[in-house]
Amino acid sequence: DAGVIQSPRHEVTEMGQEVTLRCKPISGHDYLFWYRQTMMRGLELLIYFNNNVPIDDSGMPEDRFSAKMPNASFSTLKIQPSEPRDSAVYFCASSPDRYGYTFGSGTRLTVV
Amino acid sequence: GQNIDQPTEMTATEGAIVQINCTYQTSGFNGLFWYQQHAGEAPTFLSYNVLDGLEEKGRFSSFLSRSKGYSYLLLKELQMKDSASYLCAVRELLSGAGSYQLTFGKGTKLSVIP
Repeated sequence: DAGVIQSPRHEVTEMGQEVTLRCKPISGHDYLFWYRQTMMRGLELLIYFNNNVPIDDSGMPEDRFSAKMPNASFSTLKIQPSEPRDSAVYFCASSPDRYGYTFGSGTRLTVV
Repeated sequence: GQNIDQPTEMTATEGAIVQINCTYQTSGFNGLFWYQQHAGEAPTFLSYNVLDGLEEKGRFSSFLSRSKGYSYLLLKELQMKDSASYLCAVRELLSGAGSYQLTFGKGTKLSVIP
């Protein structure tokens, strides 16, 4: 199993640009989570899906953030427009249930 | 909501034992997890406790006391490769929503020295 696959690994973009982060969960995992990690705030849950349906998006910081899961094998997190304060490592994780989470390698986003 | 506290940093000597504490406050407790995260890498699952007591897995053990809102991770026979951040995470059942939320502490950075 290839695990949870995220792309890109690194992204540097200018303020105001649109950023799209991608995630492929482990096959058969019904739950998918997007987290953001910073030194100041640690790991924060942004949104999670169950069977491709968004269940809880209360962690999405504002309307500039949106997430989709068009099918069981793909999810995107989009930031439009991006701001310097969005700089962080964004992790995607999947789980076959609500117990063990497997994290992807993360996308390190830098907005300049 | 939840409040999860763990020490920011700890240092221990190779071969020694170290205990990393975690305290939490939550209204719908449904399990406590420990994750290990090496610098620049993703968190990886270490242990899971939902009932009181000690869970042992090789050199690592995790303890839970639900009445005290307290857990610890015990690492024995420390090795240099154990230098990492250790994240305590609490799963909470959200009332009225039928859903769960896993909230992480900010992590304890453990440095193992020779």
